[in-house]
Amino acid sequence: NAGVTQTPKFQVLKTGQSMTLQCAQDMNHNSMYWYRQDPGMGLRLIYYSASEGTTDKGEVPNGYNVSRLNKREFSLRLESAAPSQTSVYFCASSQDGYNQPQHFGDGTRLSIL
Amino acid sequence: AQSVTQLGSHVSVSEGALVLLRCNYSSSVPPYLFWYVQYPNQGLQLLLKYTSAATLVKGINGFEAEFKKSETSFHLTKPSAHMSDAAEYFCAVTSYNFNKFYFGSGTKLNVKP
Repeated sequence: NAGVTQTPKFQVLKTGQSMTLQCAQDMNHNSMYWYRQDPGMGLRLIYYSASEGTTDKGEVPNGYNVSRLNKREFSLRLESAAPSQTSVYFCASSQDGYNQPQHFGDGTRLSIL
Repeated sequence: AQSVTQLGSHVSVSEGALVLLRCNYSSSVPPYLFWYVQYPNQGLQLLLKYTSAATLVKGINGFEAEFKKSETSFHLTKPSAHMSDAAEYFCAVTSYNFNKFYFGSGTKLNVKP
């Protein structure tokens, strides 16, 4: 079972460059999420999508944009990368329902020089 | 507002000893609570979840957690630590607005031989 797949796994960018992080899930989930993980800060929600065609800001949306391309795919774009965006990025998905857990990909490790 | 506090960013136990990882939550509405585990260079995996059916919840790998409303706690325990339990553990809370999970800052568990 593939679950949630993220690409790429690693990336190094220069300040000001742009890039898109890809995420796809094969569990037919409506909800998808993008988080960043920084040491000592847990996971912070960047954006989420409750269904195809909808997106909403999370806790730390500045500097990012997202696209819910279809039910399976949810991409995260950095238009002009900054060193403060160096982090590990996780995509997750979940079924609808208050008590449904989130399923995570293995992450994208992004360094911005 | 909802939040999660994990006491102790690092916990070290000997192999075979009791594991106790602490989680306290703040929620103005009945919470749903989760524990996740993260192994190096991997995403988060669900250990267990509390959804009001029973206050003592059993999860995978011998872990369990007890929901105590009076103490607003959801501590994770395992009677006997194994070397393979070394990982980072995250507590998370959500509620009626199920698109928002609030994660704690994580506790790294070290198991000594």
